Amino acid sequence: EVQLLESGGDLVQPGGSLRLSCAASGFTFSKYAVTWVRQAPGKGLEWVSGIGASGGTTYYAGSVRGRFTVSRDNSKNTVYLQMSSLRVEDTALYYCATYDCSTNCYRNFDSWGQGTLVTVSS
Amino acid sequence: DIQMTQSPSSLSASVGDTVTITCRASQTISTSLNWYQHKPGEAPNLLIYAASSLQSGVPSRFSGSGSGTDFTLTISSLQPEDFGTYYCQQGYNALVTFGPGTKLDIK
Repeated sequence: EVQLLESGGDLVQPGGSLRLSCAASGFTFSKYAVTWVRQAPGKGLEWVSGIGASGGTTYYAGSVRGRFTVSRDNSKNTVYLQMSSLRVEDTALYYCATYDCSTNCYRNFDSWGQGTLVTVSS
Repeated sequence: DIQMTQSPSSLSASVGDTVTITCRASQTISTSLNWYQHKPGEAPNLLIYAASSLQSGVPSRFSGSGSGTDFTLTISSLQPEDFGTYYCQQGYNALVTFGPGTKLDIK
């Protein structure tokens, strides 16, 4: 069974840093790209970042570029999202999800975790 | 970035109704369009990928169509469990974007 488990969410002050983790099991992790999607309170889904299967390619939404860094360790079946210079508007539930870009790449996110909550507040 | 719009922003329908949600991209995205259902307290659930392909395990009352810039999600014979918010998402390029969502209530 495919499982994704996010962790690392916490209450942090504006300007602070946090590292989220997404631990995967039940499938060949190294063959799948991974994405981060967030949902702020009362808002819709917002794509945040993506990383290719090998970790060689990374992508960021304009709202987080330069502040967030995505990486992965395929030996640990884990993807990380390093978040710095956090802002109040980064407060959200952060999900990780997987997609297969090896053939036809529609970036369809077919497996999701349950999310980890990040609260940025003084 | 490719901007996505959806209409309506919300709707209410009865069990057994057929519901249609539309999604428009700000530029052509071929068929790189996916649909999700999101219920409170749950992870989003992929319904349709590549504009019209039904994700494994999703009931056949869900269908998608369209290409280029205009897309449609249709839910036939609406069921009580179909409440939630529906999002379209373009995967045409690596800078993925979601639509603003359509909240569906069951009367």
